[in-house]
Amino acid sequence: GENVEQHPSTLSVQEGDSAVIKCTYSDSASNYFPWYKQELGKRPQLIIDIRSNVGEKKDQRIAVTLNKTAKHFSLHITETQPEDSAVYFCAASRSGGYQKVTFGTGTKLQVIP
Amino acid sequence: KAGVTQTPRYLIKTRGQQVTLSCSPISGHRSVSWYQQTPGQGLQFLFEYFSETQRNKGNFPGRFSGRQFSNSRSEMNVSTLELGDSALYLCASSPGQGYLNGYTFGSGTRLTVV
Repeated sequence: GENVEQHPSTLSVQEGDSAVIKCTYSDSASNYFPWYKQELGKRPQLIIDIRSNVGEKKDQRIAVTLNKTAKHFSLHITETQPEDSAVYFCAASRSGGYQKVTFGTGTKLQVIP
Repeated sequence: KAGVTQTPRYLIKTRGQQVTLSCSPISGHRSVSWYQQTPGQGLQFLFEYFSETQRNKGNFPGRFSGRQFSNSRSEMNVSTLELGDSALYLCASSPGQGYLNGYTFGSGTRLTVV
């Protein structure tokens, strides 16, 4: 089955700096890669996603890149703010049939004011 | 539009007991997936239900089971509870088969086994 590895497990950055979280996946058939943000005590929420026919996607301060050959994808947050502090999860899944979504183990991001 | 509703929010149970958790997906969504979240293991997939049928199952023992009703509401059951079952149980709703636009999660049920 699919295996998703996520690094780092914790990340501290100064406010205004950039943060990068990286994930690798094992199933070459995976074609959908969402990212979720989970603030303390709250539910995970989808913040951005990318499909395998796209190499990069941006949404304001957040961007995701995908390298299908190397089977890795990354989340980039620029100009970090204290409200970006949360646990971020990457995930991978594939279309067709009843696929399950496999999550990474999460990255706890702390933005220091 | 109502979100994903999980009940109860908190539960304390004793080892050996059983527990039933409930999840009502977003109206019109036919797929419900369940995840166990623990600090060290992240989000572990339990199972997915679509149209009252279990479509996928994760690597959990048979003590973990679930079902889905005709109105798409889902329940999961854990029998013979163990201390290690203490976790946040999240359900996730999506329209269904082949849908690739992300889940909507419920707020979860925090289960504590003592």
